[in-house]
Order: sequence, then C-alpha cells, then structure tokens
Amino acid sequence: DPKIIQKPKYLVAVTGSEKILICEQYLGHNAMYWYRQSAKKPLEFMFSYSYQKLMDNQTASSRFQPQSSKKNHLDLQITALKPDDSATYFCASSQDGGGTSAETLYFGSGTRLTVL
Amino acid sequence: EQQVQQSPASLVLQEAENAELQCSFSIFTNQVQWFYQRPGGRLVSLLYNPSGTKQSGRLTSTTVIKERRSSLHISSSQITDSGTYLCAMERHSNNRIFFGDGTQLVVKP
Repeated sequence: DPKIIQKPKYLVAVTGSEKILICEQYLGHNAMYWYRQSAKKPLEFMFSYSYQKLMDNQTASSRFQPQSSKKNHLDLQITALKPDDSATYFCASSQDGGGTSAETLYFGSGTRLTVL
Repeated sequence: EQQVQQSPASLVLQEAENAELQCSFSIFTNQVQWFYQRPGGRLVSLLYNPSGTKQSGRLTSTTVIKERRSSLHISSSQITDSGTYLCAMERHSNNRIFFGDGTQLVVKP
C-alpha cells in the first residue's frame, strides 16, 4: 500500500506542451521533494518544500514550478516541454521539515515522462 | 564534478555469492544512506549509516567518514536482490542530497 502516490505513472507529451505531475503523501510528513532521474545523469535533486514553503531550488529553469495546494501535496508543473526533459520524476518526503536530510527520505514510484 | 562515485557500475553474481559495493564522496559529509531501486521502480531505503558499521539482515554497511567512503556488503545474494543500489550523501553547506550513478546488480540462479 503505497504511502506516496504519484500520478500518472507514465506520461507522453509533445514538445512545447505543458504537464502537471501529481504527488500526494500520506505519511504525515512535513517536507516534500522532487528528484529527477534520466539515463544521462544520476538522480538529481530539484526542489524541497517544508510546511508548503519552498526551501531549496536546484532547477535552473523556471519552466519547472512546484505547486503545493495542501501540506501533503506537492505537484510539479512543467511548461514548454523539451525532449531533454524526458526522465523519471520522483517525489519524496521526510518527517523533518528543516532540510533535506537523507535519514528519513521516502520515495514515490515515479512518473516516467517522455517528450516527443 | 560528480559528488558521489560508485563502483562497480555493474556486477553479476551467482546466487549465494557475496557482493561488495563501494561509494566515495568528493566532499565531506556525515549523512550517508544506501538505497535500492528495481528497474523503473521507487527507491527504498536500505541503511542509513553516517559512520561505523551497521547491519540489517544480510546487508552490512561500513562508513569511514574521514576517508570519505562507504561500502555495502550483501551476503548470500538472492535472485531477488537484483536491481540498482544507490549511495546518497548530504552536503553540509546546503543540506542537499547527492546520489551516485548506482551499481546494477544481477544475481543469477
């Protein structure tokens, strides 16, 4: 029974379009994160949120915008999609809202995005 | 520069053999964690080991912070151990977590 739900599991988009990746966690955690994993690079940190506030942002492009409508939600909106955005996007959460401590990091099953 | 280096990149074992996976860091850290990932699957935390030796079932991790390295030993490997093992460290300066490229383990019957 997954406690971090990511939707959809697979997503195909055309170049230039916009998509939203959904993430909900039912662990009662205060911090949520987005990571990206592609064939060319290791798992990369993108964003961290604590109590619905942005704590850290590694992503250079403003095309990636996290959205937190509720404490246990952290969606990722991606605009003007490019083929290089193709990757698996993982949502994660941790109890500690103060940072990105590796100690209690839990991951969702990911959304595999393919941009054509 | 990649912060976390893992070796070997891939490893093929016969069932019941032992595996030794290595991880090294380019900068100082005191947060080291090992994760397991099935192909296309979520990451599952295996061991959090900031220093010394920690064991969980058939898994033993040894971290030597001063030498900026950590290892994961898998004893009596099973076919279900096949997958990717990722090492992660947290950088003190900004609390960001960095992952290695992983070691792809295949255990054959």
